[in-house]
Amino acid sequence: NAGVTQTPKFQVLKTGQSMTLQCAQDMNHEYMSWYRQDPGMGLRLIHYSVGAGITDQGEVPNGYNVSRSTTEDFPLRLLSAAPSQTSVYFCASSPRQGTYNEQFFGPGTRLTVL
Amino acid sequence: EDQVTQSPEALRLQEGESSSLNCSYTVSGLRGLFWYRQDPGKGPEFLFTLYSAGEEKEKERLKATLTKKESFLHITAPKPEDSATYLCAVQVGWAAGNKLTFGGGTRVLVKP
Repeated sequence: NAGVTQTPKFQVLKTGQSMTLQCAQDMNHEYMSWYRQDPGMGLRLIHYSVGAGITDQGEVPNGYNVSRSTTEDFPLRLLSAAPSQTSVYFCASSPRQGTYNEQFFGPGTRLTVL
Repeated sequence: EDQVTQSPEALRLQEGESSSLNCSYTVSGLRGLFWYRQDPGKGPEFLFTLYSAGEEKEKERLKATLTKKESFLHITAPKPEDSATYLCAVQVGWAAGNKLTFGGGTRVLVKP
């Protein structure tokens, strides 16, 4: 199993550009989520999904969109990038909603918005 | 509002010098407390889950404990390869899935 994969690893955008961060898992996990990590602020939840077709907002959802058309994939879309979205983004997955299993994290995407 | 605070922010140890990291939390209805290790440029790696006060778990030189207000991660006789950032996270309830609230982390540097 590859686990949780994320692409790209690094990305530089200009203010106002759009892009999609890709996340995929091959463990048949129902639950997937996106976090951003900023210095001194820890990881903060952006959006999450409890299954295909079901998504909801986390702590910091503004400026980001998600969709979940398959169990495996959970892309994160930035519609109009802003410098405040400069961060490291992590995707995570876990086996089931409603149980307290650990989340498995991807390697991250480092995004810089100029 | 759920809050998780980790201390210290950074810790420098000599190889073999044991120490403890603290994770204090203020949440309504703790369902689980998680410890993760994060190496530079990588995603967090799961270490432990603790569910109830008094619970302890061990893995090699690491031991995690839980009380009603805080958790400790004890590092016994650390080695340079234990250098990493250690993250604490809590899970509150389960109606909204396995959401985690993280603390800011403790950066640990173990010098040979």
